[in-house]
Amino acid sequence: AQSVTQLDSQVPVFEEAPVELRCNYSSSVSVYLFWYVQYPNQGLQLLLKYLSGSTLVKGINGFEAEFNTSQTSFHLRKPSVHISDTAEYFCAVIPISGNTPLVFGKGTRLSVIA
Amino acid sequence: GAGVSQSPRYKVTKRGQDVALRCDPISGHVSLYWYRQALGQGPEFLTYFNYEAQQDKSGLPNDRFSAERPEGSISTLTIQRTEQRDSAMYRCASSPVSSYNEQFFGPGTRLTVL
Repeated sequence: AQSVTQLDSQVPVFEEAPVELRCNYSSSVSVYLFWYVQYPNQGLQLLLKYLSGSTLVKGINGFEAEFNTSQTSFHLRKPSVHISDTAEYFCAVIPISGNTPLVFGKGTRLSVIA
Repeated sequence: GAGVSQSPRYKVTKRGQDVALRCDPISGHVSLYWYRQALGQGPEFLTYFNYEAQQDKSGLPNDRFSAERPEGSISTLTIQRTEQRDSAMYRCASSPVSSYNEQFFGPGTRLTVL
């Protein structure tokens, strides 16, 4: 079984400041990793994903994440946030072995302050 | 093209009533997933289908919950004899056969049981 821990439930940050949203996972098998974003009153939208290859993954809206196998982490970063980045962010994993559902973390609410 | 749609977007019902939640996946998508998201939590898996076949229903909390996808497209999640603890956001996602690991989410149905 897999589990995902998002270490911060809320992260306030000033506009144009950098941000890091932390995600750690536990799994006995290899996994694919994802970050989803949920803007107010909208569905979940894929931000970025790690399947294989380079451990540094770039996504939409200037976000990137780095897969660290030794620390089993997949932290999300952005060098300069905008007001429009205010949303809830979810880290998720899937075993690479088959067609199985996503396992999500509890989410981190990012609030960007002007 | 059109994304995943869900209806109704909001449903308020009285305890003991049955409800049916509908999901219309992206056209041609093979897999369809149902998740439930309680307030302050990440989405939790309920069940999923490949075409019309229900592959895994291990996440359904009890026998009041059922789902079907009779023609391999639209799916209905039915909750019988609703209870207050069923109140949550119910999310549907679909994925194409060529990319089972990327799931596209609908806007969700907010269910409130009074």
